[in-house]
Amino acid sequence: AQKVTQAQTEISVVEKEDVTLDCVYETRDTTYYLFWYKQPPSGELVFLIRRNSFDEQNEISGRYSWNFQKSTSSFNFTITASQVVDSAVYFCALSDPSGGGADGLTFGKGTHLIIQP
Amino acid sequence: DGGITQSPKYLFRKEGQNVTLSCEQNLNHDAMYWYRQDPGQGLRLIYYSQIVNDFQKGDIAEGYSVSREKKESFPLTVTSAQKNPTAFYLCASSTSGPYNEKLFFGSGTQLSVL
Repeated sequence: AQKVTQAQTEISVVEKEDVTLDCVYETRDTTYYLFWYKQPPSGELVFLIRRNSFDEQNEISGRYSWNFQKSTSSFNFTITASQVVDSAVYFCALSDPSGGGADGLTFGKGTHLIIQP
Repeated sequence: DGGITQSPKYLFRKEGQNVTLSCEQNLNHDAMYWYRQDPGQGLRLIYYSQIVNDFQKGDIAEGYSVSREKKESFPLTVTSAQKNPTAFYLCASSTSGPYNEKLFFGSGTQLSVL
């Protein structure tokens, strides 16, 4: 069955520290997509990245980087030199044809990241 | 600016009352969604629509209803049959189906029971 596990419920670090948010997924399909979304205190989820299952290249966008490893079914997210504005809940999500939810999309439970000044 | 507008931001429901949450988008997206978020939980799909005048039940549709009379609008009604409606409700849209599309979200409605 399709499943996304974000084992870290809450992480608290001091500003400027690096932090990694873990995401482990389960799927029977060979073709699927992985996403990360950020939910700041305002409530609106903001798209960060989409990765398809055939592209295992790591991606870097400014202070953000993502490490996709099919061998361990993980899609981890690292913030380098964290800032207070990075404080939010971060969701990992999996989309595949077999579908977990009715729309084929399954969200993890989220990791609440707190960056202390 | 294009985006998704949800209203109201806070809503209170009395026992036995139906309430309607509004969701409007000006992104010209075909697909729209309603998700429910409970504290410490991921998002769960209530209903989604990929085209006007058509919609499908999500994983937790019981006690909810929707309509899609216009491309821009996808209101959600929380009926009295929904016994535990207190939650944060998020509306989203995408260009087409959800499979490989990123979602655009509104800022949510917090529904509480009086």
